This record gives sequence, structure tokens and C-alpha cells, in this order.
Amino acid sequence: SAVISQKPSRDICQRGTSLTIQCQVDSQVTMMFWYRQQPGQSLTLIATANQGSEATYESGFVIDKFPISRPNLTFSTLTVSNMSPEDSSIYLCSVSQQGAGEKLFFGSGTQLSVL
Amino acid sequence: GESVGLHLPTLSVQEGDNSIINCAYSNSASDYFIWYKQESGKGPQFIIDIRSNMDKRQGQRVTVLLNKTVKHLSLQIAATQPGDSAVYFCAENSGATNKLIFGTGTLLAVQP
Repeated sequence: SAVISQKPSRDICQRGTSLTIQCQVDSQVTMMFWYRQQPGQSLTLIATANQGSEATYESGFVIDKFPISRPNLTFSTLTVSNMSPEDSSIYLCSVSQQGAGEKLFFGSGTQLSVL
Repeated sequence: GESVGLHLPTLSVQEGDNSIINCAYSNSASDYFIWYKQESGKGPQFIIDIRSNMDKRQGQRVTVLLNKTVKHLSLQIAATQPGDSAVYFCAENSGATNKLIFGTGTLLAVQP
């Protein structure tokens, strides 16, 4: 399995600001994904980070709010823009060598609190 | 719509006992299922998976059972230890969207 490092591990941010979360994988992976886990809830897929092209967003998530970059096969960033308290969640990077519907490996997550 | 749900949001067991965590799914076309363990402050960790052409799969101290007739998935943990305390999620690949859909999670609390 891949080793996935996320930074920051946690942050407390002010309303209206933006935070960029980094995801670094120790090996090249085919697919990278970003998930959100709201307090006490399950995981919801935000988008698929595509290498060299625009991310593919799930219903309810838009690029202006959650811009994503993936410049190569080992790195991706997720930005949470113009934050509000409703954005307080754990944001998780995940990877797969097989596909979005197959075994995923997750990073340790970024705990975001918006005041 | 599609949904994956758990019968018990919290399960409390004594150390050394066996644990059974249940999960219901609604899409009969789902062909792949997976269990994750999430400890506090950590990301989900893969435990075991199973495809729809099987009804049982065993790992180290864990067994996953799949009953396609009633669309039910369970995770059995033998000789539960304090380190097993975590939230457990089931997930299914519905096939149509080829994405994992996660259930709501069960908190397993192991009492010493």
C-alpha cells in the first residue's frame, strides 16, 4: 500500500479565508481522490484529481469552492475557498491503483475548524 | 436512491469476546464490498474486502460475510481487543458509477 502524507494535519481558520491542503504519496498512483467527512458522519467524495487536467467533481461540489491541482502522479492539493463554519470537517486524500470503486488507501486527514 | 446503512451505530463488547458489525446495502447490482477501520484522528484503514462472487472471506482475526439474498454484509472480529476500538465503515461499489459509497459507520467500544 502507498504511504500518504497530508499537510496540515489540522487548522483553525477564520470565516472568509482559504486553506490549501497538500497530499503527497510515496509512489506514483493512478488515481487520487478527495473526500470530506463532516463531524460524526461518513465519507463523501468531493472530486477525482486528474493528473494534468481539471478535476472531476461530484454532485454538490464545485471548482470555485474546492479548486484542486494534480501536477504529477504523486502530489495533489485541495483548496477550501471562502470558508464558512459549515466547511468544518475532516478532509481526506485517498489513492487507488485500480479505480474509484476499488480498494482505496487514505491519508491521515486534515481536521479543519472554521470560526 | 442507493444507500448503505448500518443497523447499530454503537456496539459495546467485552475484551476477548467476538464482535459482529452489520451493514445493509440497497443496490443488488453492487459487486464489491469493503470494510474500513477509522481510529480517532486517523484516516480510514483497509481491513478486508469481498467480491459478489463470494459469500465469505477470512483475514487475520476478521471475517467478512456477504448475503446477497438479503443484501447484508457483516464484519466479524474474533477475540476483540482494546486496539479494535474504532469506527467501522462498510462501503460498496454500486457498479453504475464505479465509486465507493460509504455507510454511516459503527462505533465499536471494547470494554476491558
